[in-house]
Amino acid sequence: AQKITQTQPGMFVQEKEAVTLDCTYDTSDPSYGLFWYKQPSSGEMIFLIYQGSYDQQNATEGRYSLNFQKARKSANLVISASQLGDSAMYFCAMRRGGYQKVTFGTGTKLQVIP
Amino acid sequence: EAQVTQNPRYLITVTGKKLTVTCSQNMNHEYMSWYRQDPGLGLRQIYYSMNVEVTDKGDVPEGYKVSRKEKRNFPLILESPSPNQTSLYFCASRTRGEDSNQPQHFGDGTRLSIL
Repeated sequence: AQKITQTQPGMFVQEKEAVTLDCTYDTSDPSYGLFWYKQPSSGEMIFLIYQGSYDQQNATEGRYSLNFQKARKSANLVISASQLGDSAMYFCAMRRGGYQKVTFGTGTKLQVIP
Repeated sequence: EAQVTQNPRYLITVTGKKLTVTCSQNMNHEYMSWYRQDPGLGLRQIYYSMNVEVTDKGDVPEGYKVSRKEKRNFPLILESPSPNQTSLYFCASRTRGEDSNQPQHFGDGTRLSIL
């Protein structure tokens, strides 16, 4: 069975600082995808970034980057230059290659302080 | 506009009264899923569908039914709702794509309260 662990229920970060949200995963499949989603207080789920298990480079999307350490089974999200609008719940998720079952972590609530 | 539409957005109902939450997507996506979100538990997959007439159980299917008669629609049915099904529900869809790299598109969520 696959599992996603997010050990930080809540975090604070100063505006304009960088922050790392942790995500570790467990799977025996060699092919899988890792996703990060943002959920603001309004409730919608917003896709941020994707990392494939075979990707050689860490994924980046604007201010978001994924620190992918395959041997350690970790896929931490790094947000650079935090903004007040980054205050939200963040979820890490994994999907096994070729399958439709998706496992989410329990989330990290990030609060950006002015 | 590409979107996943869920209805209703909010519903308060009573134990045992059958209800259906509709989900429709206009992106011609093959894959669709239902999730429930509970505090401290994240999102848990209820059912998913890989195409018309092809559905399978997720991690928490008990008490729910789904159907996929048309590609664009994937309703979630609670035949006899109970208070432990009070939750925030999300429908999501994605295209088949290459391998596993396609993100899901989520609806805005349906908040169900079962009294």
